Amino acid sequence: KAGVTQTPRYLIKTRGQQVTLSCSPISGHRSVSWYQQTPGQGLQFLFEYFSETQRNKGNFPGRFSGRQFSNSRSEMNVSTLELGDSALYLCASSFGGGLSSNEQFFGPGTRLTVL
Amino acid sequence: DQQVKQNSPSLSVQEGRISILNCDYTNSMFDYFLWYKKYPAEGPTFLISISSIKDKNEDGRFTVFLNKSAKHLSLHIVPSQPGDSAVYFCAARLGGGSNYKLTFGKGTLLTVNP
Repeated sequence: KAGVTQTPRYLIKTRGQQVTLSCSPISGHRSVSWYQQTPGQGLQFLFEYFSETQRNKGNFPGRFSGRQFSNSRSEMNVSTLELGDSALYLCASSFGGGLSSNEQFFGPGTRLTVL
Repeated sequence: DQQVKQNSPSLSVQEGRISILNCDYTNSMFDYFLWYKKYPAEGPTFLISISSIKDKNEDGRFTVFLNKSAKHLSLHIVPSQPGDSAVYFCAARLGGGSNYKLTFGKGTLLTVNP
């Protein structure tokens, strides 16, 4: 079974631009979560989508948004990029259907650098 | 307010010895705890988990202990191997309903020296 894939793997943008990151979950997984990893803050939860609906949201500004498609693939968008948005963005998928879905499977991440 | 804390940013042990990674939490509503391992340039990989109704879970060289009264859990790796060198994240899940948000600690870098 293929793992979680994220594209692109690396991205360089400048301040003020916007960016869209993509995540394809493991086949059959319906829940997709996004995390931001920075050296100082560790992994911080952005949001989680299940069946095309945002089910949980972390404490990030509205510049961070996402969506999920009917095939469970998810995209994350960041508008008006700031230098502090430079981070590794991780996507994780899980079955999402009850107590059996405690384990999330992570993709390799997208390394975003904002100049 | 950091609800999951890994107070040791790094830990260095000798090959063959025991590695003990610690994690403290503040929210008594967490009902499930997980440990993830992360190598550079890769996403975290699930290692082992424990339900809040248990106090120990073992999987090969890895054992997780949970002390609910102290709101503390630890991951023991015995014996430690150089391939175990990675960043280890502790994560906790709030119980009930469809809340699948995981709260992570900041990680502990484990270095196992040959």
